[in-house]
Amino acid sequence: AQSVTQPDIHITVSEGASLELRCNYSYGATPYLFWYVQSPGQGLQLLLKYFSGDTLVQGIKGFEAEFKRSQSSFNLRKPSVHWSDAAEYFCAVGARSWGKFQFGAGTQVVVTP
Amino acid sequence: DSGVTQTPKHLITATGQRVTLRCSPRSGDLSVYWYQQSLDQGLQFLIQYYNGEERAKGNILERFSAQQFPDLHSELNLSSLELGDSALYFCASSNPEFNYGYTFGSGTRLTVV
Repeated sequence: AQSVTQPDIHITVSEGASLELRCNYSYGATPYLFWYVQSPGQGLQLLLKYFSGDTLVQGIKGFEAEFKRSQSSFNLRKPSVHWSDAAEYFCAVGARSWGKFQFGAGTQVVVTP
Repeated sequence: DSGVTQTPKHLITATGQRVTLRCSPRSGDLSVYWYQQSLDQGLQFLIQYYNGEERAKGNILERFSAQQFPDLHSELNLSSLELGDSALYFCASSNPEFNYGYTFGSGTRLTVV
């Protein structure tokens, strides 16, 4: 069965420090991979996506993610976080044959001064 | 504005009542997905419609039902409401090619008292 795992429920990071959020998936082929961000009381906003090609993808708000097939991972990174990056981040996995996406449980990011 | 419109934004109702949540998908999107987000369950897929037809079902209770109309807007009907149904309900839409992920609405916050 397909699955997506975000191992870290909660991460605290200092403003200006780097951030890496982990996402692992289980699927027989290369699925579509996404990262979404949800600010408090808001809907989910797409940060970036990967379908094929270059395994390092750039997204909005200075985020990037790297697809590693050998590790079945799609980790999200940002070199220097801003206080406005405090939010919940969701990794999502999908495939055309499924017709829908599966979301991870989310990682809550807290940014300290 | 994501292009996906959900109404109402907030809803407070009593146990045992019935409510209807409405979603208008992004222009050109044929698929509509409903998700429930609660603190203890995370983001749970409820149901998907594609061009008026039910395509996939997730963890949707029998007390809940949905439909997609010819103009592609969708409604989620929740009946015999219980306290545990209090949650954020999100609608998302995607295009037929499935290649840009979901676009989420800002959600309806349902509070059952």
